[in-house]
Amino acid sequence: QSVLTQPPSASGTPGQRVTISCSGSSSNIGSNLVYWYHQLPGTAPKLLIYKNNQRPSGVPDRFSGSKSGTLGSLAISGLRSEDEADYYCAAWDDSLSGVVFGGGTKLTVL
Amino acid sequence: QVQLVQSGAEVKKPGASVKVSCKASGYTFTGYYINWVRQAPGQGLEWLGWINPNSGGTKYAQKFQGWVTMTRNTSISTAYMELSRLRSDDTAVYYCARDNEGADYWGQGTLVTVSS
Repeated sequence: QSVLTQPPSASGTPGQRVTISCSGSSSNIGSNLVYWYHQLPGTAPKLLIYKNNQRPSGVPDRFSGSKSGTLGSLAISGLRSEDEADYYCAAWDDSLSGVVFGGGTKLTVL
Repeated sequence: QVQLVQSGAEVKKPGASVKVSCKASGYTFTGYYINWVRQAPGQGLEWLGWINPNSGGTKYAQKFQGWVTMTRNTSISTAYMELSRLRSDDTAVYYCARDNEGADYWGQGTLVTVSS
């Protein structure tokens, strides 16, 4: 079991808006920053969102992140077929004194 | 351009050790921490720890303390991760990743297979 909880799957049709949640606790998301990564099969993860809601250069503004209390969220608008991937959230955990990841969400574009 | 190039796949027997290298290029190696993350087949991501290439200081995940060692050689801009006392459930792809407000650049991954 992962310290951060994500739904195992999500889906949407092209053009739709999809949200993926990441639930944590006061020792991680509640007091630290949230990061989001996506991973295509057979490739290394790629940073999508840092510091809760910041996008690295090159990441389309269709991707947005937010945080409220102990819940982080990733929203993808204007869904495209190439968004089909695994998505992971991450945060520092004060109790474990280390980085923790969510279990990952497999996004399917129908 | 920033690149992290890792060493090739390894096959090890249970109880052995493995050392994976991660050669950095395209930036100042000592300016950014290096994270190590692993992914077992069909599973999620797991953080092993990080190393500060400038000082050599390390931070290991509690689970891996005592059996992971991270080092670096600044003269060749290379970070290393050594895992000892390997078990079958250590079979995974091991990634290095530069830490820059998140892991912004990743190596290609090194598959470590532990099998008798």
